[in-house]
Order: sequence, then C-alpha cells, then structure tokens
Amino acid sequence: GESVGLHLPTLSVQEGDNSIINCAYSNSASDYFIWYKQESGKGPQFIIDIRSNMDKRQGQRVTVLLNKTVKHLSLQIAATQPGDSAVYFCAENPYNFNKFYFGSGTKLNVKP
Amino acid sequence: DTGVSQDPRHKITKRGQNVTFRCDPISEHNRLYWYRQTLGQGPEFLTYFQNEAQLEKSRLLSDRFSAERPKGSFSTLEIQRTEQGDSAMYLCASSLEGTLGAFFGQGTRLTVV
Repeated sequence: GESVGLHLPTLSVQEGDNSIINCAYSNSASDYFIWYKQESGKGPQFIIDIRSNMDKRQGQRVTVLLNKTVKHLSLQIAATQPGDSAVYFCAENPYNFNKFYFGSGTKLNVKP
Repeated sequence: DTGVSQDPRHKITKRGQNVTFRCDPISEHNRLYWYRQTLGQGPEFLTYFQNEAQLEKSRLLSDRFSAERPKGSFSTLEIQRTEQGDSAMYLCASSLEGTLGAFFGQGTRLTVV
C-alpha cells in the first residue's frame, strides 16, 4: 500500500512560537495533498491543501510547503495557540481523487 | 449544521452482534467515503461511492462489512458478527466531483466487548 509517514510523532511548542510539522510521502505520482487537524474524539478537520503543481500555499496562520524532489510536505503554523493542540495528519491522493492515504499523525502540544 | 453528519456517535456492542452506522454527507456532495481509524493511527480507506455506485472497496473491508448508498444521498455501513478487532472510529467523508478536498464527519466510535 501507499506510505505517508511523519517524521516526529509528538511536537511540543511554546504558545506564540511557530510550529513546523513534517510529512514524507512515498508515491511520486501523488498530485494532491491535504493537511487535517484532529482533536480528541472528533473527526479530521480540513486545514489546507496543495496540488503538486505548487510548492507553497498559504492560509490563515498556516503555510504548506511541498518539495516534490524529496517527496516531503510540511505544515507551518504561525504564532501557535493552545487551540492548535491536536493531532495533525497529512493525506496523500495518488492517481485520482477517490481516496486518500494518511500517515499516523503528529501530536502537537502547545504549552502556555 | 451543514457538515457531514454521522449517527450514532458512540456504539457499544457485544461480540457477534450486528451494527449499522449512518452517514449524511454535505448535501451537494456526490462522493462519499468510509474510513476506519484505530487509536494512534491515521484513517484507513474502506470504501468509496460516487452517487449510488460503490466504485472501490479496500481489502480491509471483509465479507462481514457492507456499505450502501441507495439513493445517492446518505450511506450506511453495516458490520455483521462483530469482533473485538472491529473496535475503532468509523469516519465518513464527502466531496464534490470536480472539486478538491474531502470533509469528514465526527465519526462513530465502535466498541466491541
């Protein structure tokens, strides 16, 4: 099957600092990626997406960077807040838009 | 609330019993997905519908699992003869063909005792 892995299972940051969450993907044919945020007991929440014809996309306080050469994706969160504490998943969509492959996630802990 | 809705949110059942979950997608979305998530893992794809047609099933979807979307709107996922290994969060997502992004519901937490 496909492999979407994450470099760090847990990331702790101080409130107000910037956070960077990394993700490696295995399928060079993947052309679409999504970052999801999942709080305890809830479903994944769409944060930001990026297509393979882009290398950067910005949202509100979040930026996704895509490096196709090394098959690496990152999510940057500016001025991290306690409400950002959650598990973050990157999801990869190879071949078509019918399904996504998820990694095991990175848990972000924001310390006040 | 116009997001993806799942019912029930929690289900506890005895091993061997059948369970059925329901998913109501975002109203204009014609694509619907079922995923399963175990603790500490990312969601795993189970199956996918476009309108009422079930177009793809994962090998994770054993013969005990069946999903339907009879009118191309809501979907049901049934698990027969539940086993303890079926304990997981069952997630539903929807999307609109031709657009990007899939939006998830809050999930149904199944516990098989």
